[in-house]
Parts: sequence; structure tokens; C-alpha cells
Amino acid sequence: DTEVTQTPKHLVMGMTNKKSLKCEQHMGHRAMYWYKQKAKKPPELMFVYSYEKLSINESVPSRFSPECPNSSLLNLHLHALQPEDSALYLCASSQAYAGEMLRAFFGQGTRLTVV
Amino acid sequence: RKEVEQDPGPFNVPEGATVAFNCTYSNSASQSFFWYRQDCRKEPKLLMSVYSSGNEDGRFTAQLNRASQYISLLIRDSKLSDSATYLCVVNRGGGSQGNLIFGKGTKLSVKP
Repeated sequence: DTEVTQTPKHLVMGMTNKKSLKCEQHMGHRAMYWYKQKAKKPPELMFVYSYEKLSINESVPSRFSPECPNSSLLNLHLHALQPEDSALYLCASSQAYAGEMLRAFFGQGTRLTVV
Repeated sequence: RKEVEQDPGPFNVPEGATVAFNCTYSNSASQSFFWYRQDCRKEPKLLMSVYSSGNEDGRFTAQLNRASQYISLLIRDSKLSDSATYLCVVNRGGGSQGNLIFGKGTKLSVKP
């Protein structure tokens, strides 16, 4: 099973709303990632969790708040977003130890529209 | 210099053609290299890992030149279903956890 599941698939939210994106994998991967992808651009790394600890934050604004409740789950909490935050948000997971090719598997993404 | 740079594309080729994509990376500490494909409005999907000795998977051949920090992907006998954006992806390197840096992608359109 090489599946990463993201919910919801689509989300429309107002600038004053609070919402959460969810990601789940059962491949035993201990590294999980959030990426943001705008139209016609490559995915851009936002956060990396390794062994349930935040290891990389790519200078993401605080209106995005990641959370890793356990080794299978990754959340992204959204609050006071701006219209320019509208994008495809991709979750991915991979093995987390050196020596492995660290192949990452992506979920289908959440298409977020901020109005 | 960008961390990962790719051919700008787009590549428009007839069915059956052979097409090659090139990619360079700037971080000599990078250890893992991949080609992903992404269809319109879909998530990236791993096409193949790239090994130092080069590797082949059916019609697809990947090569890595560490000295030149250069990666390539060759697609032989192109099919209509190969139409997609091909992303060169490099692990930034260092530490036990990796993070993947994507090139801008090269769009391939295979025409009948």
C-alpha cells in the first residue's frame, strides 16, 4: 500500500475562517511533508516532520500551523488566510533515515480557495 | 543559481519519438535524485529514482553525473499517455531526514 490520503479534496474558506487539512499514511514512514503548489509552478516545500517532530519550516507565515499527532497523521491548521494562499496543498511521506533513497509518495492534494 | 534547474520546454513530439530531459542541481551534498511526473491538476507521482550507475525501466532511462551535477531522463518510443510535466527532484541532503526540492518541470506533449 503506497497510499497517502488527504482530506478534504476541495476547500473554500473565508479570510476569517479556521480550517484544517488532514493527511494520513500507513506505510510506516517517519517523515511527512507539506508542500504548496500554485498553478503552473512546481511544488514548494513548507514543512518537514521527522519522527513526529518539526524539523524544517521554510519560513512559512504563522497563519499556517502544522501538527503531527502521531506517526501516521499530519495536519495543517489554517487561520486568517489571504486570497494569495489559494493553491493545491500536497502532503507527502517517506522513510526518514539516511542511506535510503527517501522516495516520497504524495497524496492527491487539497485544492484550497480563499475568498 | 537555482537549486534545481531543468530544460524550459515545452517539448512537442510525435508518437514514437525519443525525447531527452536534462536537469542540473547546485548542492553537491545531495544524495537522492528522482524523476516525477505530474498530470494536469493531479499530484506528482514517482516515475523513477536515479542511481549513480544509471538505470532503465522499460522505455525510460535515467542517468546521473555527480561530477557535473547533472541528471537526465530519456524516453524512447513516446506514447500519447506520456504527455505530462516531468519534474526533476533532488534531496537537499544532509541529516537523516530529507526534503525534496523540485525543478520547475518540463512539459511534454506527445501528438498523434
